[in-house]
Amino acid sequence: QVQLQESSPGLVKPSETLSLTCTISGGSIINYYWSWIRQPPGKGLEWIASIYHSGSTNYNPSLKSRVTISVDTSNNQFSLKLSSVTATDTAMFYCARQTSDTAFDIWGQGTMVTVSS
Amino acid sequence: DIQMTQSPSTLSASVGDRVTITCRASQSISYWLAWYQQKPGKAPNLLIYKASTLESGVPSRFSGSGSGTEFTLTISSLQPDDLATYYCQHYNSYPLTFGGGTKVEIK
Repeated sequence: QVQLQESSPGLVKPSETLSLTCTISGGSIINYYWSWIRQPPGKGLEWIASIYHSGSTNYNPSLKSRVTISVDTSNNQFSLKLSSVTATDTAMFYCARQTSDTAFDIWGQGTMVTVSS
Repeated sequence: DIQMTQSPSTLSASVGDRVTITCRASQSISYWLAWYQQKPGKAPNLLIYKASTLESGVPSRFSGSGSGTEFTLTISSLQPDDLATYYCQHYNSYPLTFGGGTKVEIK
């Protein structure tokens, strides 16, 4: 079955760029949208961005100026970069498969990113 | 942006109780609504999509209804394994947004 695994940068310094990669196994990246979602400790879920295998993107307007999502079909991966991070960006980051019918039907286990000097 | 409002934010019920969670959208989203269950320390898990379609493998005690702006998630007979936070999410248009969550506790 399809599984998603986020990379784990762990700790990022304020003002730096957070970089995450999601690796898809057991299935193809083709013909789906792929998304990043975050959850600050003790809080709710926030959609960050989505990308189609062709490279078409959608961003949350609240983060758009700092976010870049990209796809690498040859390696069955997609990635997220979040620039100029602050402590408020500390969160669990999830990658997920998104379909037009079922929304987010498959999730990675999540990776905790802490922004601290 | 479409705002999603869930109520209640917390509920406490006994095993075997019927539990209902409400989700309201700030504008019509037709039936483009999903429900997720998030157990402590775990990633969210899709329960229901298109407002009322049960995801494969999800117990039949979970059901969803509604369209337009008003939606409900019902657990027909609460089980100890249902201890979790439940989120609604619209996918009618971008940006995609989630409700604030409903934490279900077992009395």
